[in-house]
Amino acid sequence: DARVTQTPRHKVTEMGQEVTMRCQPILGHNTVFWYRQTMMQGLELLAYFRNRAPLDDSGMPKDRFSAEMPDATLATLKIQPSEPRDSAVYFCASGLEGKPQHFGDGTRLSIL
Amino acid sequence: EDQVTQSPEALRLQEGESSSLNCSYTVSGLRGLFWYRQDPGKGPEFLFTLYSAGEEKEKERLKATLTKKESFLHITAPKPEDSATYLCAVQVGSTLGRLYFGRGTQLTVWP
Repeated sequence: DARVTQTPRHKVTEMGQEVTMRCQPILGHNTVFWYRQTMMQGLELLAYFRNRAPLDDSGMPKDRFSAEMPDATLATLKIQPSEPRDSAVYFCASGLEGKPQHFGDGTRLSIL
Repeated sequence: EDQVTQSPEALRLQEGESSSLNCSYTVSGLRGLFWYRQDPGKGPEFLFTLYSAGEEKEKERLKATLTKKESFLHITAPKPEDSATYLCAVQVGSTLGRLYFGRGTQLTVWP
């Protein structure tokens, strides 16, 4: 079965460092989503793209987060500078319009 | 504001003890309601999509139903391997495919 691939699976770093998370969507999927999951807030949408164009990034803190799709096989989520409150599991999902989203297994991020 | 509420937050069942999980929603222009299963350390795994009131979907011991205000995930004779967090999400017509997730129900089935 085709799967969404996320790297790294785990990341521990110190406050202030840049963090880059990567996502390889399922081949042929034209929509990519970035979510953050915490115990307090549950699963929150940060940003999403269709055909590599950003549709909505209103869920992201604009001053420190950025999301891009350099090409159809790669989506990135960057945090600079990172803060302890950014500690969470970050999920990428991909899909086709009108079809269910399929999730990767996430990047577990800890900011010390 | 669109809202999705799941209950209960946690449910413990003995193996074979059937029960239901609830997902209630207040949204305008529902396009679809989705159920996902999430195991510890994993991403959500798609289970069902329901599009209109009265629709039902089944998969093994799971059956999802939809009304105009809520959805139920019925679990018949659960087994320990059904233990997971079950997430409900809605897709609204005006939001270009994004999903609004509930907080989930953590199901534990003990032998």
